Amino acid sequence: DAGVTQSPTHLIKTRGQQVTLRCSPKSGHDTVSWYQQALGQGPQFIFQYYEEEERQRGNFPDRFSGHQFPNYSSELNVNALLLGDSALYLCASSLSEDGGAFFGQGTRLTVV
Amino acid sequence: AQSVSQHNHHVILSEAASLELGCNYSYGGTVNLFWYVQYPGQHLQLLLKYFSGDPLVKGIKGFEAEFIKSKFSFNLRKPSVQWSDTAEYFCAVNALDNAGNMLTFGGGTRLMVKP
Repeated sequence: DAGVTQSPTHLIKTRGQQVTLRCSPKSGHDTVSWYQQALGQGPQFIFQYYEEEERQRGNFPDRFSGHQFPNYSSELNVNALLLGDSALYLCASSLSEDGGAFFGQGTRLTVV
Repeated sequence: AQSVSQHNHHVILSEAASLELGCNYSYGGTVNLFWYVQYPGQHLQLLLKYFSGDPLVKGIKGFEAEFIKSKFSFNLRKPSVQWSDTAEYFCAVNALDNAGNMLTFGGGTRLMVKP
């Protein structure tokens, strides 16, 4: 049973570019959340998707957007990249009624 | 909005020493509480969780945590640490009044266990 898988594992982008990160949830999970983890800090909640709709959103600008597909997989899009967007982006999946989340390995994004 | 504080940023212990990592949250409503661990080079893994019932929760690898509602605390403990417990530990809270189950994390505690 595969856990949460994310792609790519590493990515280098130039300031101003756009990036798309992908996540496949753990089998049977219907809810996907995205977190940003800066170096030396705890993960910060970006948003959560359930039934292909954004259900909750953290304190992130509109440059951060997402999507959930009918098979529950999800994408995180970031437009107009800033140097400060460099971080580890984590995807977590869970059942909608369960607060416990399973995390993927993350995508390390470096903006230069 | 809820917030989580972990008071110890770095902890260094010798093997067999006892461990207690502090976690306090600020939120007036009902919460679910979690401890996650991140071993070097690995993904975040759930150590234990508290939803309701017995405030003393046992998790994997001999870890336990106690929810003290009056103190808004959820401290993590282990009676005797091993070198393999070297990792970063994160406390997290989910406020049940909100739609969805977003997690708010503390800043983490980096534990180093000396052999």
